[in-house]
Amino acid sequence: AQKITQTQPGMFVQEKEAVTLDCTYDTSDPSYGLFWYKQPSSGEMIFLIYQGSYDQQNATEGRYSLNFQKARKSANLVISASQLGDSAMYFCAMDRDNYGQNFVFGPGTRLSVLP
Amino acid sequence: NAGVTQTPKFQVLKTGQSMTLQCAQDMNHEYMSWYRQDPGMGLRLIHYSVGAGITDQGEVPNGYNVSRSTTEDFPLRLLSAAPSQTSVYFCASSVAGGTRDTQYFGPGTRLTVL
Repeated sequence: AQKITQTQPGMFVQEKEAVTLDCTYDTSDPSYGLFWYKQPSSGEMIFLIYQGSYDQQNATEGRYSLNFQKARKSANLVISASQLGDSAMYFCAMDRDNYGQNFVFGPGTRLSVLP
Repeated sequence: NAGVTQTPKFQVLKTGQSMTLQCAQDMNHEYMSWYRQDPGMGLRLIHYSVGAGITDQGEVPNGYNVSRSTTEDFPLRLLSAAPSQTSVYFCASSVAGGTRDTQYFGPGTRLTVL
C-alpha cells in the first residue's frame, strides 16, 4: 500500500535561514503526484508545492522548492529564508494515481521558526 | 467564489447520535473528498467522489456514509456516533486530472463525541 513517511516530528530553524523537511514515499505506480501542505495553528490546509512523477525538473514556488529524488523515493521540501510566519505543521502527501482524488498524507512535521 | 464551505464549524454529539456534516463547493469541481485528522496524525481519506452519483471508499470508511446527488454538495453522515470518531473533518474538492490542480480544502469541522 502507498505510504508517506515524515521522520521529523519537530524542527527548529533560525529566522532567515533555510530548512529542509524530509519526506519519503512508497508506491509501485509509475504515475503519481507529490504535494506539500502547510497547516498553521488556525487549522486550514494551505497548498505549497506540487511535483509530478514524470516532471524532469524540481518544482519551485517562491521560497519553496522540492528536492525530488525519484530513485530514492524522496520529496523533501526546502524553505529558504525562513520567516516567523512559517511556523506551522507541514504535511507531505501523494496523489496515488496522479488523478486528483485519492490522496495519502504523512504524519507531518512541526516547524518552529526562532527569532 | 466561496470555495469549499463546511458546516457546522464545531459539533458535540453523544454516543449513538447521528448527524450530517455538510460540504459544498462553488468551483464546479468533479472530485470531492472527506478526510479526518486526529491529533498528531496526517489526514486520512474517508470517502471520495469523482462525480455526481459516484462515490468510493477511502482508507477509513467504517461508520460513515456519503452520497453525491449534485456536483456542488457532498455530505458526510455519521450513522451512530462513537467516541473514536472525535476528530477534525476536512472536505476537499479538485478538478479531474491531478497535476497542479490540487485539492482545495474547507475550513474543517471539529467534532467531539462524548
